[in-house]
Order: sequence, then C-alpha cells, then structure tokens
Amino acid sequence: RKEVEQDPGPFNVPEGATVAFNCTYSNSASQSFFWYRQDCRKEPKLLMSVYSSGNEDGRFTAQLNRASQYISLLIRDSKLSDSATYLCVVNRGGGTSYGKLTFGQGTILTVHP
Amino acid sequence: DAGVTQSPTHLIKTRGQQVTLRCSPKSGHDTVSWYQQALGQGPQFIFQYYEEEERQRGNFPDRFSGHQFPNYSSELNVNALLLGDSALYLCASSPVAQGGYTFGSGTRLTVV
Repeated sequence: RKEVEQDPGPFNVPEGATVAFNCTYSNSASQSFFWYRQDCRKEPKLLMSVYSSGNEDGRFTAQLNRASQYISLLIRDSKLSDSATYLCVVNRGGGTSYGKLTFGQGTILTVHP
Repeated sequence: DAGVTQSPTHLIKTRGQQVTLRCSPKSGHDTVSWYQQALGQGPQFIFQYYEEEERQRGNFPDRFSGHQFPNYSSELNVNALLLGDSALYLCASSPVAQGGYTFGSGTRLTVV
C-alpha cells in the first residue's frame, strides 16, 4: 500500500463547478499535511497547509481527519487557471523544514469553458 | 531574491554513464532535499542535506549520492545510469528553523 494515496483522475469540470479531491495516508505518525499544485512540466508549488480545524483560502478549503487519516481539498467556482495536478503531501516531522515530504501520485484537474 | 536554481535544465545521458546535477538553494535556506519525479507520478524523496551531511535518505540505491557545500549548494550524483532513472529531478530548499520548502524548476534527465 502506498503511504499517500490519491485518485489520479482526471477530473474534467466546467468553469464555475465545485470539485473535491480526497487523499488518504497510512502513517499515523504523520504530523504535517499540505496540498501542492503542479502545472505541466513545472515544479510543485505549495497551495495550502491543512489543519485539523479545517482552513480556507479564498475558493480553496482543506480538511484533515486524523482519526480516518484522510485529507480533502475543495475548490469552489473553478477557473480555467485551476487546471493543474494537485498533490497531497504528508510530512512526518513537524512543519516542512525537516523530515521528508511524501507525495501522493497527484490528481489531474482540467477546467473547461 | 533568487529562488532555488537548478542546472542543467535538461540532460540526455547513455545507460551506464554518470551524471551530476546541481542546486543552489534560496537565499537564507540551509537545508536541501532532492526528489525524483517519474512521469505521471508524485515526487519521491531521495535524500536531504543539512550542515554538509546527509540527514535522511529515501528508498534509493547507493548509485544515488550527494554532497552539500559550505555555501549550502548541493549536488546529486547518479552512477551507472539505468533507463528507469529518466525523470524530473527536483531540488527543494528550506530554512531549518522556520519551515517552508521552495522547489527549483528541476532537471529533466533522459537516459537512452
């Protein structure tokens, strides 16, 4: 079993749609959780951290359920520019300054007009 | 403020050859990590360097080795290249005390 699992998609949605991505992780010792975005042939970039209380950044909402070892990302009012691969990322150490980042396979999102 | 710089951007090598990839971390960052990203997969952790020492290592063979210099820059060396080593190699730097990885744009290695 992979340490971080995501549905690879692809998800094809129209502009304005709401789309949700899910991710599960196997190591209960994991301490930090993130969603990264990766555009085609580019490097991953941090989209947002994920906290147990849930957190929101504009149209993006992330949730963490430690008991179920489950992470989610919700994108509301999708834009064409949201088209990318979304990577679920887990870190055993506190924060991202140490300890390895473990990435999921990534979920491909395509937003069409 | 320059971000993470990697060189070269693209590289083609023959099976059995050796390759060295280079990374200059973001200003103020002293920790460097290397990742391998095969096509259609998420990045896989290779190893991390701090204070010129390998601090953590992922599940990669000894053919993969690295080095960190006093100015915090780093090299990734891969010996006896295999076709399966073809991938995007990403360098990420972070400040130990504060967290927050910054990724470079990567080196795309093709082994033929």
